Amino acid sequence: DTAVSQTPKYLVTQMGNDKSIKCEQNLGHDTMYWYKQDSKKFLKIMFSYNNKELIINETVPNRFSPKSPDKAHLNLHINSLELGDSAVYFCASSHERLAGGSTDTQYFGPGTRLTVL
Amino acid sequence: AQKVTQAQTEISVVEKEDVTLDCVYETRDTTYYLFWYKQPPSGELVFLIRRNSFDEQNEISGRYSWNFQKSTSSFNFTITASQVVDSAVYFCALGSGGGADGLTFGKGTHLIIQP
Repeated sequence: DTAVSQTPKYLVTQMGNDKSIKCEQNLGHDTMYWYKQDSKKFLKIMFSYNNKELIINETVPNRFSPKSPDKAHLNLHINSLELGDSAVYFCASSHERLAGGSTDTQYFGPGTRLTVL
Repeated sequence: AQKVTQAQTEISVVEKEDVTLDCVYETRDTTYYLFWYKQPPSGELVFLIRRNSFDEQNEISGRYSWNFQKSTSSFNFTITASQVVDSAVYFCALGSGGGADGLTFGKGTHLIIQP
């Protein structure tokens, strides 16, 4: 009964490729998020999204795009992968009514370790 | 802009010792929320606690306790009688109702409990 799941857990790919990471939550939450954790373990928000609004952190390159087929899923597409994209990507969800707010507890998926060669 | 500072990069103690992890935050919001998450060696992020800015009451949960001091903008975390299984990276985070910041995380404190 995993609350927030991500696939794949590990992703190794070549520079220039396009890849996707899938995220699903079964908590009935309204808002989902993507965070990036770098090699120094620093966590930074990338996107905040509910069924009405997408909030994008201004530092995120437009090669990254979230896609939400329904309320329980928020997938992350990355085009033209670069070496600097290597990191652990975490999906999270919360009851937050609006994208951009962060007052409710966010529950995280297990993370996807992306390695770009 | 919001900021969370965890000045202790790494702490190493012997099992059964008490240990306190410091967290100092900055925000201009009057309503905000503070969180602690644990990241064990397996890599997942485990939620520990959430407190709002209007509730300064200290919280205790088993061997864990949290001290919220609004006057010093601190939200410290104490583990009593530490155990090897407490070894992890602990993150303090700040959230509020507005803006696109998501949760603002500190850089984490790597806690090592030696047997």
